[in-house]
Amino acid sequence: EAQVTQNPRYLITVTGKKLTVTCSQNMNHEYMSWYRQDPGLGLRQIYYSMNVEVTDKGDVPEGYKVSRKEKRNFPLILESPSPNQTSLYFCASSLRAFFGTGSYEQYFGPGTRLTVT
Amino acid sequence: KNQVEQSPQSLIILEGKNCTLQCNYTVSPFSNLRWYKQDTGRGPVSLTIMTFSENTKSNGRYTATLDADTKQSSLHITASQLSDSASYICVVSASDSWGKFQFGAGTQVVVTP
Repeated sequence: EAQVTQNPRYLITVTGKKLTVTCSQNMNHEYMSWYRQDPGLGLRQIYYSMNVEVTDKGDVPEGYKVSRKEKRNFPLILESPSPNQTSLYFCASSLRAFFGTGSYEQYFGPGTRLTVT
Repeated sequence: KNQVEQSPQSLIILEGKNCTLQCNYTVSPFSNLRWYKQDTGRGPVSLTIMTFSENTKSNGRYTATLDADTKQSSLHITASQLSDSASYICVVSASDSWGKFQFGAGTQVVVTP
């Protein structure tokens, strides 16, 4: 089954304790992206990757790191989490972001609910 | 300032009725506009994608329109069903920043029996 998976789905942690949220897709997609969703603010883009070893900042990258060493995986790293990073996180992928006249559908993962105390 | 504004913030409709959601954007230069449906606690699911050359696109009972001149889009839901209860999100991207997406805050739709 074609899908985007995220782990863990729920996480409660303490301030300053490094954590990684994994994201994996099995559709051979080039493009992957991380978003956070907060009440009243909607989804905001954290980082995205156009392909292996190519990453770029979204609108809210502060406090996050990413890497894209292989096509299927795009982990999100919080080196020193703070309470303002408490949020619902989504990973998404698409064949490409946009190329020529083709617009490619994004597939979202199930979400990771993170609480930082 | 958010470059994608949606209205209304929420609405309640009776099962079987139609409704229209609005999306205004200032993203420029415009590349494409997407509508997503998000059920509570789940990831968004794509409904439609439109480029500047398309002014209407349908997906079952969902019909999206786009006016690139006025920078407005609408999503029309026909003959609503209880399963249409969800948040509907408008997403716009610019042609000079591949890979970046600007999201509206969404319209929460509740369909009542």
